[in-house]
Amino acid sequence: EVHLVESGGDLVQPGRSLRLSCAASGFTFDEYAMHWVRQAPGKGLEWVSGISWNSGSIDYADSVKGRFTISRDNAKNSLYLQMNSLRPADTALYYCAKDPNYSSSAPRFDHWGQGALVTVSS
Amino acid sequence: EVVMTQSPATLSVSPGERATLSCRASQNVNYNLAWYQQKPGQAPRLLISDAYTRATGIPARFSGSASGTEFTLTISSLQSEDFAVYYCQQYNNWPPTFGQGTKLETK
Repeated sequence: EVHLVESGGDLVQPGRSLRLSCAASGFTFDEYAMHWVRQAPGKGLEWVSGISWNSGSIDYADSVKGRFTISRDNAKNSLYLQMNSLRPADTALYYCAKDPNYSSSAPRFDHWGQGALVTVSS
Repeated sequence: EVVMTQSPATLSVSPGERATLSCRASQNVNYNLAWYQQKPGQAPRLLISDAYTRATGIPARFSGSASGTEFTLTISSLQSEDFAVYYCQQYNNWPPTFGQGTKLETK
């Protein structure tokens, strides 16, 4: 059974940094693209970033480009999101999501974690 | 970016009845369309991908259809566990985008 467990969510001040992690199990991690999708409180879903199976292709939403960095460690079955220069608008539940394909070029999400809450406020 | 517009925002249906949820894309997305279900306090769950294909373990009462830029999710006979928020998502154009959601509630 696929399990995705996010960690690292916290309350941070605007302008600070935070790193989210996602521990994956139950599937061959290095065969699939992975993504981060966020959901602001009471709002809809927004794709944030995606990474292909071998980290050869990485993409970001315009809203986070230049501030967020996605990475993965296939040896540790882990996905990461380094978030810098955080803004109040980044406040959301951040989901780690598995892609059914190795490529991240047509992102859809067949398994999701339970999310990590990031609150950006002074 | 492709704007996905879902209608209605809220749909009230009685258990056992059919529910029809709509999603319109602002431009052609071919059949690269997914549907997700989200219950309160839970992560979204993939129901349908490629406009028509049910995900593993999804009951046959869920079906997807497409006509041009109009997509439909039909739940043939609503069960109590189906009352939730439903999102469509296109993955044909960059960036991938979601609709704003349809809340399916008990009538």
